[in-house]
Amino acid sequence: DTEVTQTPKHLVMGMTNKKSLKCEQHMGHRAMYWYKQKAKKPPELMFVYSYEKLSINESVPSRFSPECPNSSLLNLHLHALQPEDSALYLCASSQDGTVKANTEAFFGQGTRLTVV
Amino acid sequence: SQKIEQNSEALNIQEGKTATLTCNYTNYSPAYLQWYRQDPGRGPVFLLLIRENEKEKRKERLKVTFDTTLKQSLFHITASQPADSATYLCALVGANNLFFGTGTRLTVIP
Repeated sequence: DTEVTQTPKHLVMGMTNKKSLKCEQHMGHRAMYWYKQKAKKPPELMFVYSYEKLSINESVPSRFSPECPNSSLLNLHLHALQPEDSALYLCASSQDGTVKANTEAFFGQGTRLTVV
Repeated sequence: SQKIEQNSEALNIQEGKTATLTCNYTNYSPAYLQWYRQDPGRGPVFLLLIRENEKEKRKERLKVTFDTTLKQSLFHITASQPADSATYLCALVGANNLFFGTGTRLTVIP
């Protein structure tokens, strides 16, 4: 199984809603990531979890709250988002506990989030 | 700060021709460089990895070169097919982050 599975595929939420994005991998990878991608732009890193501990937070606003319940699961909790937060949210994983230049990252299909 | 630029935002080529995409970087000396393919609304998919001491790497119809003096990587798709139409991203690793280039949207015209 070389898949990273993200749910839901699409999400529309109001600015006062609370929702969560989910990500799952069963490759035994020890690093998991959240990326945000706006249209026609490259993915931008938000968070890195290494061995289930948050190792990198790229100055992401607190309305985004990551959680890593176990080594296979990664959540992104959303609260009081703004319309400009609408984007494709990508989860990724890699074998080692940190991002390595010689190790590929496996990406999920993403969640298309629209904030209204 | 690190900067990774892919010189063409979009590239159209005729089916059967060779597509050549360029990735230039500054303020960085990577030991490896990666290339990914991304289809609309999907996550990037890893294609190839090349080390700084490898001048060239091949995989089926794909070829990647890496010139650390020019700070440039070239990505070639030979005998291109309409199914190769996608956005191609180069990526470098630094500071525990995978930094992506700006991407080139390739369209192969039948």
